[in-house]
Amino acid sequence: AQSVTQPDIHITVSEGASLELRCNYSYGATPYLFWYVQSPGQGLQLLLKYFSGDTLVQGIKGFEAEFKRSQSSFNLRKPSVHWSDAAEYFCAVGGSSNTGKLIFGQGTTLQVKP
Amino acid sequence: KAGVTQTPRYLIKTRGQQVTLSCSPISGHRSVSWYQQTPGQGLQFLFEYFSETQRNKGNFPGRFSGRQFSNSRSEMNVSTLELGDSALYLCASSLEGQGDKKQYFGPGTRLTVT
Repeated sequence: AQSVTQPDIHITVSEGASLELRCNYSYGATPYLFWYVQSPGQGLQLLLKYFSGDTLVQGIKGFEAEFKRSQSSFNLRKPSVHWSDAAEYFCAVGGSSNTGKLIFGQGTTLQVKP
Repeated sequence: KAGVTQTPRYLIKTRGQQVTLSCSPISGHRSVSWYQQTPGQGLQFLFEYFSETQRNKGNFPGRFSGRQFSNSRSEMNVSTLELGDSALYLCASSLEGQGDKKQYFGPGTRLTVT
């Protein structure tokens, strides 16, 4: 079955500290992987995507993610967190066929301590 | 270029009523997907439309339906509303093309059923 697991429901980090949000997926075909961020009361904003090629992808706002096929993981990282990064983060997987359907993880809420 | 727009932004309905939500995709985007977001179930795929045809459907009852017009605008309808239909309904559009699976989300419509 296709699924996405974000093991951490809630993470708190200090401002300036590094961040890693975990994502594991189960998908039968070649996955397209995404990270989205959602601020309270807002829609989702795409941070970065992986389709193929270099397994380390760079996104907006200083985020990066690494695709590890052997571990079925696509973890999101940021070297230094800013207070404005506090939000909910969603990992999602889609298929390579002509479909827009995305399967989302349950989300990780990031709190940033001053 | 304008983003994805959704109307109305907020809606309060009574059990048993029906509701229609509207989504205008980014200009040039032909695929529109709908998602339901609730605290308990997270983000769940409802359906996807492409060129006025439903291309994918999630596991929702028949009370949930949608359509897409020739200008790619989409509507979703929920009939016989239940309390559990209270949610944030998100619309996303994407530009069809090999390798581009990025979906751009609107701000959502917050539906409250009383």
